[in-house]
Amino acid sequence: KAGVTQTPRYLIKTRGQQVTLSCSPISGHRSVSWYQQTPGQGLQFLFEYFSETQRNKGNFPGRFSGRQFSNSRSEMNVSTLELGDSALYLCASSLAQGKYEQYFGPGTRLTVT
Amino acid sequence: GQNIDQPTEMTATEGAIVQINCTYQTSGFNGLFWYQQHAGEAPTFLSYNVLDGLEEKGRFSSFLSRSKGYSYLLLKELQMKDSASYLCALSGGYNKLIFGAGTRLAVHP
Repeated sequence: KAGVTQTPRYLIKTRGQQVTLSCSPISGHRSVSWYQQTPGQGLQFLFEYFSETQRNKGNFPGRFSGRQFSNSRSEMNVSTLELGDSALYLCASSLAQGKYEQYFGPGTRLTVT
Repeated sequence: GQNIDQPTEMTATEGAIVQINCTYQTSGFNGLFWYQQHAGEAPTFLSYNVLDGLEEKGRFSSFLSRSKGYSYLLLKELQMKDSASYLCALSGGYNKLIFGAGTRLAVHP
């Protein structure tokens, strides 16, 4: 079974631009969660989607948004990029919720200059 | 809120046993996960505790005490490849994981 895939793996953007990151979950997984990882703040939850619906959201500004498609693939978008958005963005998929482990993708390394 | 505390760094010797602690203050959670993350890689699942007690999985065991707000990950027969960060995470609603800052473990020969 293929794991979670994320594209692109690396991205360099300029302040003020916007970016879209993509995540394909493990086949059969309907839940996709997004996390931001930085050296200073660690791993922080962004949001979670299940069956195309956002069910949970972390404490990030509205510049961070996401969506999920009918095939469970998910995208996240960051508008008006700031230097502080430079981070590793990880997505994770799971079968359902709660006791089910989340499988993480390799991440997208975003650098904002 | 959910404050999760882990030691920042630990060192241990190959073949030894190491215990990584995680303490938390929270009003409620579904369960507690432990993940391993090697430098430059994605976190990988190690264990999950929902009830108090010990969960054993090969060389790795995890313990949870909800009344004490405490968990630990026990790694036995340490190998060099166990050098990594270990992340404790509380599971909230709808797959929301709240992570601790992680413990960097260095295993020396």
